[in-house]
Amino acid sequence: GQQLNQSPQSMFIQEGEDVSMNCTSSSIFNTWLWYKQDPGEGPVLLIALYKAGELTSNGRLTAQFGITRKDSFLNISASIPSDVGIYFCAGPSGGSNYKLTFGKGTLLTVNP
Amino acid sequence: GAVVSQHPSRVICKSGTSVKIECRSLDFQATTMFWYRQFPKQSLMLMATSNEGSKATYEQGVEKDKFLINHASLTLSTLTVTSAHPEDSSFYICSAARLTGIQNSPLHFGNGTRLTVT
Repeated sequence: GQQLNQSPQSMFIQEGEDVSMNCTSSSIFNTWLWYKQDPGEGPVLLIALYKAGELTSNGRLTAQFGITRKDSFLNISASIPSDVGIYFCAGPSGGSNYKLTFGKGTLLTVNP
Repeated sequence: GAVVSQHPSRVICKSGTSVKIECRSLDFQATTMFWYRQFPKQSLMLMATSNEGSKATYEQGVEKDKFLINHASLTLSTLTVTSAHPEDSSFYICSAARLTGIQNSPLHFGNGTRLTVT
């Protein structure tokens, strides 16, 4: 099946710094999704990307759908302590828009 | 606010017993829901697709007789872990899509159920 390679695996940054993480795939995705998961909770959708080249922002978050449709990145600007959590990229697989394959996640720690 | 509700949020059971987890879509109908499992420090893995009024579709390697799925109404899917064993201890998360008539509508996740089998 399709696999998503997400990096980095973890990041330790100071409050106020910018963050960048990315996902790559060996196969084409038609949709890229970025989720954030807090401990003990389900993932929450941050940004959804549906077109190659699309650049979308949600507050301090910006994500882009790569031109090749095999990659995506998520940037967080001016990080704050509540940005702490695990960030997952995800894309549909198995012929359905809703059966998602997830990356392995990026654990973000923000030091105040 | 939450659009998908999951209950219970955590459950502890003894080995050999069965546990039922509920997933509800709030104020929208979901003909299809999805069940994921997440082991500690790992990603979410799709277990099965729950279809209202028909049999669930299981991913490869997931035992359908062990993880019983019932999707009896347009707003409720249940996952029953039968004869649970310690290795079934995990974080179970459901998801549903609000169909808006637009091609792309986001998938919403419940808050998960932490199952601990002793």
